[in-house]
Amino acid sequence: DAGITQSPRHKVTETGTPVTLRCHQTENHRYMYWYRQDPGHGLRLIHYSYGVKDTDKGEVSDGYSVSRSKTEDFLLTLESATSSQTSVYFCAISAGTGVANTEAFFGQGTRLTVV
Amino acid sequence: GEDVEQSLFLSVREGDSSVINCTYTDSSSTYLYWYKQEPGAGLQLLTYIFSNMDMKQDQRLTVLLNKKDKHLSLRIADTQTGDSAIYFCAERKGGSQGNLIFGKGTKLSVKP
Repeated sequence: DAGITQSPRHKVTETGTPVTLRCHQTENHRYMYWYRQDPGHGLRLIHYSYGVKDTDKGEVSDGYSVSRSKTEDFLLTLESATSSQTSVYFCAISAGTGVANTEAFFGQGTRLTVV
Repeated sequence: GEDVEQSLFLSVREGDSSVINCTYTDSSSTYLYWYKQEPGAGLQLLTYIFSNMDMKQDQRLTVLLNKKDKHLSLRIADTQTGDSAIYFCAERKGGSQGNLIFGKGTKLSVKP
């Protein structure tokens, strides 16, 4: 398995509370991504990072913020969780170079339930 | 409509070939990908194809690309029960620096 770890793996939280999900990689890859996976929607990009302190929005960024203070860590924060943010969240990494230049490695996911 | 479309389910018998189809919409997509997701796991990159290729073969996997029709397919030869998973097609929109856009996934069930 690639060195990518998500924590926590499962979380139940109440509406209105802040939540932070962590993605940690040991591959020293430049690019990191947060996706959410929902039934009927496949995976959708929330935010991504192309270097330390360099981040950008994806397709479904409203209600989420991210931070990357170190190459190995990419944090996703829900400032005030809502029930619509109940989902499975995946982190992915990419070297950003090479033939395929794609998110080649995904974490095992974090199942978040907002009640 | 969805940018990338796939049928949701496919059922085959062990030993048969499986063909999973996908259509995409962005003619500038330079790379197209297939990912596999096993239950409770993240996605695993299976294979990819350049837009200037028609076919790519990798052991039991064959990818066919019809750029004119924006149609991509993944053929799995001699399908095994271990191939049971959800398969996602993805395109990189807007060229090589664009974001990945995934289809909804095709759930492949392999019957013994």
